[in-house]
Amino acid sequence: KNEVEQSPQNLTAQEGEFITINCSYSVGISALHWLQQHPGGGIVSLFMLSSGKKKHGRLIATINIQEKHSSLHITASHPRDSAVYICAVGSGGGADGLTFGKGTHLIIQP
Amino acid sequence: EAEVAQSPRYKITEKSQAVAFWCDPISGHATLYWYRQILGQGPELLVQFQDESVVDDSQLPKDRFSAERLKGVDSTLKIQPAELGDSAMYLCASSFDRLGIYEQYFGPGTRLTVT
Repeated sequence: KNEVEQSPQNLTAQEGEFITINCSYSVGISALHWLQQHPGGGIVSLFMLSSGKKKHGRLIATINIQEKHSSLHITASHPRDSAVYICAVGSGGGADGLTFGKGTHLIIQP
Repeated sequence: EAEVAQSPRYKITEKSQAVAFWCDPISGHATLYWYRQILGQGPELLVQFQDESVVDDSQLPKDRFSAERLKGVDSTLKIQPAELGDSAMYLCASSFDRLGIYEQYFGPGTRLTVT
């Protein structure tokens, strides 16, 4: 079974700061997902990647398959970025259920 | 934009009672997942369907939990009897095969409180 570790567990930063959240996993994967969960509970998929780097607005996700490590970066952070960010991995077949990390609780203060 | 629908959004029930949750995936999505998220932790897969067939239910506590997707479209997750430890967010997700890529789309979840 894949073990997914995220760091930090909690992060408080000032508006405008560059944010990095890390994720490591123990077993080879078919894809890695970065998800965002707001206090209401709904989960939104931010990125799905299996290699390299993806960028969407102020969010950047990178993955190093050899090192079994991924990072999520937020540039010019804003209070509306405050949420729980969850790393999840899929192993084996592409349709497999995901294995999730515990999440990183991010608070951006004005 | 198409969304995964779940109901109810919130449910409070007493222990030993039966409770059921409903999920309607995005139209055309053959794969459906039920996850459970205990407060402060990441979600865990309970059951996965491919059309109407169960693909993985290895983490489903089968003595009290059941799930069905009779026509391969919407799905119901049932707990009977509910226990205090079942208090959690129950998330449904769906995906489809887009040239070998399966991006999962999540519903808003059902927050269950067992008293």
